[in-house]
Amino acid sequence: AQSVSQHNHHVILSEAASLELGCNYSYGGTVNLFWYVQYPGQHLQLLLKYFSGDPLVKGIKGFEAEFIKSKFSFNLRKPSVQWSDTAEYFCAVGSGAAGNKLTFGGGTRVLVKP
Amino acid sequence: NAGVTQTPKFQVLKTGQSMTLQCAQDMNHNSMYWYRQDPGMGLRLIYYSASEGTTDKGEVPNGYNVSRLNKREFSLRLESAAPSQTSVYFCASSEALRASGINGELFFGEGSRLTVL
Repeated sequence: AQSVSQHNHHVILSEAASLELGCNYSYGGTVNLFWYVQYPGQHLQLLLKYFSGDPLVKGIKGFEAEFIKSKFSFNLRKPSVQWSDTAEYFCAVGSGAAGNKLTFGGGTRVLVKP
Repeated sequence: NAGVTQTPKFQVLKTGQSMTLQCAQDMNHNSMYWYRQDPGMGLRLIYYSASEGTTDKGEVPNGYNVSRLNKREFSLRLESAAPSQTSVYFCASSEALRASGINGELFFGEGSRLTVL
């Protein structure tokens, strides 16, 4: 069975700082990779996704992620965070055959101080 | 656009009571899913339905049953609620189980917070 690890459970940043959230997965085959965000009191929304092609993926709100196949990683980055980026971030992986039946990581709570 | 709609949003049950969480999507999606969200554990798949008329177990199916009533609706039933089922439940849908690229995405409802005393 595949698994997804997010190494940071809580991150506290100041506005304008750079953000990088780690995500590693265990699955040897073709994978679909996602980052979802959950703002306080809201449902999950898609930030970005990777299915194939350019391993550097750009998403909404200035987020990007890089797929490194050799490291089984899909880390999320944002060069300069804003207070409104305070949220919980989830990495998710779908195997090729059932690409939308996702396995989620434990989530990372990000608090951006104004 | 309503997207994915779940009811109820909040529910408190006593141990042993039963209840059904309702979910409906208006995006003509083929696949639907039920996840539970617990602190530090992310979202775990309970059951999913790849298409109308089919359902399959996910990672944590024990204590739950599902019904794919039609293409739009996918309900989750707790026959005899236990405190371990206290959680936030999310329904989601996607174009298809294997959809990728532009059509590869889960759309989530707003969640149902269930407390079992």
